[in-house]
Amino acid sequence: NAGVMQNPRHLVRRRGQEARLRCSPMKGHSHVYWYRQLPEEGLKFMVYLQKENIIDESGMPKERFSAEFPKEGPSILRIQQVVRGDSAAYFCASSPSDGYTFGSGTRLTVV
Amino acid sequence: DQQVKQNSPSLSVQEGRISILNCDYTNSMFDYFLWYKKYPAEGPTFLISISSIKDKNEDGRFTVFLNKSAKHLSLHIVPSQPGDSAVYFCAASAIRETSGSRLTFGEGTQLTVNP
Repeated sequence: NAGVMQNPRHLVRRRGQEARLRCSPMKGHSHVYWYRQLPEEGLKFMVYLQKENIIDESGMPKERFSAEFPKEGPSILRIQQVVRGDSAAYFCASSPSDGYTFGSGTRLTVV
Repeated sequence: DQQVKQNSPSLSVQEGRISILNCDYTNSMFDYFLWYKKYPAEGPTFLISISSIKDKNEDGRFTVFLNKSAKHLSLHIVPSQPGDSAVYFCAASAIRETSGSRLTFGEGTQLTVNP
């Protein structure tokens, strides 16, 4: 999955801190999706963005979570005041393609 | 509300035999279905897809079958190889959704192929 770059791969935050997850889509892809995988569960849709626009954020928790995809630079998923329940793997995907291309994910651990 | 369900959390088969992974869905708006394979610490990798206008799609050792009336799809891998050992996710989308090709995933099935 080298085409979609996510960093960091692992992120440890204390409760109450902020977490910033970055995603650079494949070259030429202007659509970015964020998914979250909680332990023992499948991937759950969070947000769909195009450059400078949030198209669908219906899967995002109403508080503490935000996402952006600026004209220049990577897409950012921001989690404020993290709690233990935010511990999960966060995957970014870009399109268009027949099926997405996923990044390798960021594993967030809240201690 | 789990709209895509994979009822078997795990499956174990012998090398060379057939692996059959199953998936059920409830949303009749879904018209495009995909299977992804995931190794630990990696992102999901696209395997094969099928549109609702078809009932079968084949790619090498992988075949996906769709039964729309039963809202059921399955992935067949034959012959199974040890390198196929991974978690397999079924996913579905409704092309007519306004939010691009948003996917709804099942919980995954851990496939283990024993040498």
